Amino acid sequence: KNEVEQSPQNLTAQEGEFITINCSYSVGISALHWLQQHPGGGIVSLFMLSSGKKKHGRLIATINIQEKHSSLHITASHPRDSAVYICAVRRGDNFNKFYFGSGTKLNVKP
Amino acid sequence: EAGVTQFPSHSVIEKGQTVTLRCDPISGHDNLYWYRRVMGKEIKFLLHFVKESKQDESGMPNNRFLAERTGGTYSTLKVQPAELEDSGVYFCASSQEVGGFRYGYTFGSGTRLTVV
Repeated sequence: KNEVEQSPQNLTAQEGEFITINCSYSVGISALHWLQQHPGGGIVSLFMLSSGKKKHGRLIATINIQEKHSSLHITASHPRDSAVYICAVRRGDNFNKFYFGSGTKLNVKP
Repeated sequence: EAGVTQFPSHSVIEKGQTVTLRCDPISGHDNLYWYRRVMGKEIKFLLHFVKESKQDESGMPNNRFLAERTGGTYSTLKVQPAELEDSGVYFCASSQEVGGFRYGYTFGSGTRLTVV
């Protein structure tokens, strides 16, 4: 069983819809990252969270440390948001490694 | 500021050949990490350098993989000989450490390796 579980695995939305991607983890962490992988393979770091909530443009990320759960929200989704979104956690007892979720493939249709 | 740079972006090689991937971290980042994502699976840690030293190489799959970071700047990951199951996307990341706290994790755009 993977230490990091994401849902859904695939998500299709219409342009303008509000989108939520969930991430649950089973280990103690020092930080959680949300990453975006473009169709060509490149990865962009969207957020790093250790508590609370962060907002950047139409993207919002929240984390609940007690429940070991994080969500990534996209408001007013757009076709250019289509990508794979990956949740990654850094272990509390080992700063060297990330553990990654399997990713959520998002397709936003115009 | 330049980000983490990886080269090449794509590589297609035949089984049994050798391929060398390169990662240039952000200048001043002592920590460099290699990860890979094979088809359909989550990204997995390969190894971690602190400057030129291998801090943790527990994720290296086998002795066909050799990572180096001479001089503590850029790193190379060589696969020799390549096998079909080595196909995937290889990512590099770097981070800075100040006072025992690592921050500024930045990922490269990855090298897509296809072994045919």
